[in-house]
Amino acid sequence: DAKTTQPNSMESNEEEPVHLPCNHSTISGTDYIHWYRQLPSQGPEYVIHGLTSNVNNRMASLAIAEDRKSSTLILHRATLRDAAVYYCILRFADNYGQNFVFGPGTRLSVLP
Amino acid sequence: DSGVTQTPKHLITATGQRVTLRCSPRSGDLSVYWYQQSLDQGLQFLIQYYNGEERAKGNILERFSAQQFPDLHSELNLSSLELGDSALYFCASSVGGGAATNEKLFFGSGTQLSVL
Repeated sequence: DAKTTQPNSMESNEEEPVHLPCNHSTISGTDYIHWYRQLPSQGPEYVIHGLTSNVNNRMASLAIAEDRKSSTLILHRATLRDAAVYYCILRFADNYGQNFVFGPGTRLSVLP
Repeated sequence: DSGVTQTPKHLITATGQRVTLRCSPRSGDLSVYWYQQSLDQGLQFLIQYYNGEERAKGNILERFSAQQFPDLHSELNLSSLELGDSALYFCASSVGGGAATNEKLFFGSGTQLSVL
């Protein structure tokens, strides 16, 4: 079962920043936090991941709480193309390999 | 373009039939993952293969099976199809076996299966 909790939906205005929260209170020390998004009629795509420190890439920023029990995906300026379902996932290690467990995610709507 | 190729894009078939979905991973990726996405169930992990061997199993029905071939492409076989099997089936690939917690998945564009 997914070990993350996200709001079902969020709304943003175009050109404004968006903060998508994720709670993962059972995270362990070696779990990575990954974010994926799924645009309409497409497969999920990688957005960003991190372990402890905040991370930035061309798509987004990831802010990780000091206790690592929550994180926030930040889209600095939302565009209409950012409307998608955003999934926050914990990558945990086990001896037999692992699978990504996707929860329901957050459906982001971007208003013009 | 993720580099993961899935065929066919659409498949329409009848109940009781058998179909095969095909996936070619990104060049250099050794793992293939299969996911099912339906409206009421979200994205469900089915199975993972790594370098030809089954690595992890999720909520895969006994009527479903998969394999990964020496050239690393994978096939998902769905048999005795039921109406409820209608869904989007995604394939994803990763470079390693999935044990590395910072490993990324790359998804194909999916196969839409409609069982009538």
